[in-house]
Amino acid sequence: GAGVSQSPRYKVAKRGQDVALRCDPISGHVSLFWYQQALGQGPEFLTYFQNEAQLDKSGLPSDRFFAERPEGSVSTLKIQRTQQEDSAVYLCASRKKETQYFGPGTRLLVL
Amino acid sequence: AQTVTQSQPEMSVQEAETVTLSCTYDTSENNYYLFWYKQPPSRQMILVIRQEAYKQQNATENRFSVNFQKAAKSFSLKISDSQLGDTAMYFCAFMKTSYDKVIFGPGTSLSVIP
Repeated sequence: GAGVSQSPRYKVAKRGQDVALRCDPISGHVSLFWYQQALGQGPEFLTYFQNEAQLDKSGLPSDRFFAERPEGSVSTLKIQRTQQEDSAVYLCASRKKETQYFGPGTRLLVL
Repeated sequence: AQTVTQSQPEMSVQEAETVTLSCTYDTSENNYYLFWYKQPPSRQMILVIRQEAYKQQNATENRFSVNFQKAAKSFSLKISDSQLGDTAMYFCAFMKTSYDKVIFGPGTSLSVIP
């Protein structure tokens, strides 16, 4: 039972490589958020889904970042042509009422 | 735009003692939500306590309590009887509505010393 799960937990990518990060929200939670957390900093908002609709993508740093949630459950964050500044922990959260529940994150290191 | 400030990058406390973490925020909203999240070294973000701005009573969760000063836009966290397991990063966070994103402060690293 579960909480929010994310995979992989760790990902090492060569610069220029594409990566895909997966998030499984808590069952029944319609809202899903992605955040980026740089080392030693607080998480920063990337994008938000309600069911399959992406309602806010204002935090995506560039057009290399793309997120989807085609069936309103699992979500994937894709980063194309990764760059060193993309190295961070990517957190997924799903929401019930006012509270967001976070997954363990995916730590991405771009070499 | 809303901002959240935590002026204490690092703090330490003796086990069993009490510690207070500070947080201030800036918003023009009247109704909103405030949170304290804990992120231990394993990096799983855990909700510690939540406060609705329309409630005057300060929230309490066991050893954790807040001092919410709406006019001053201040939201401090008090941890009583500190335990070694309280060692973590603590993030103060703001949310405008229940359908909005969470805005986090930069965090305070708390170390509980045996």
